[in-house]
Amino acid sequence: AQSVTQPDIHITVSEGASLELRCNYSYGATPYLFWYVQSPGQGLQLLLKYFSGDTLVQGIKGFEAEFKRSQSSFNLRKPSVHWSDAAEYFCAVGVYAGNQFYFGTGTSLTVIP
Amino acid sequence: EADIYQTPRYLVIGTGKKITLECSQTMGHDKMYWYQQDPGMELHLIHYSYGVNSTEKGDLSSESTVSRIRTEHFPLTLESARPSHTSQYLCASSEEASGNTIYFGEGSWLTVV
Repeated sequence: AQSVTQPDIHITVSEGASLELRCNYSYGATPYLFWYVQSPGQGLQLLLKYFSGDTLVQGIKGFEAEFKRSQSSFNLRKPSVHWSDAAEYFCAVGVYAGNQFYFGTGTSLTVIP
Repeated sequence: EADIYQTPRYLVIGTGKKITLECSQTMGHDKMYWYQQDPGMELHLIHYSYGVNSTEKGDLSSESTVSRIRTEHFPLTLESARPSHTSQYLCASSEEASGNTIYFGEGSWLTVV
């Protein structure tokens, strides 16, 4: 069965520090991969997505993610975190056949001054 | 930016009341979804639709019902609200042309007292 794992429930980083949020998936073929961000009380906003091609994808707000097939991972990175990046981050996998979509349990990011 | 709208954003109602959460999208997407999310928790798919007159139950059992009479409209109804229904409800839509990228509304916060 398909699944998405975000191993880190909560991460705290200092403003200006680099960030990496981990995401691993379980699926037989290469899925579509997504990262979303959710600010408190809001819906989910798409940060970036990977369908095929270049394994390093750029997104909004200075985020990027790298697809590593050998590790079944799609980790989200940002070189320098801003206080406004504090939010919940969700990794998701889209499976084309069957039109299914699977979300991870989310990683909560706290940014300290 | 996706055009998907939810009303009301916030609602407090009494136990036993009937409520309908509205969701509309202007993108012409065939697929629509309802997710339920408690604060700081993961998303649970409760309903989805592949198109007009199509409705399916999601992974999480819900006492709510949905309808899809028009492509752009996917309302969710609770016939008799209970305090256990207190949660955030997120509407979303997607289409195959965008690789099944899911776009979310801002969410509806429901509190049943």
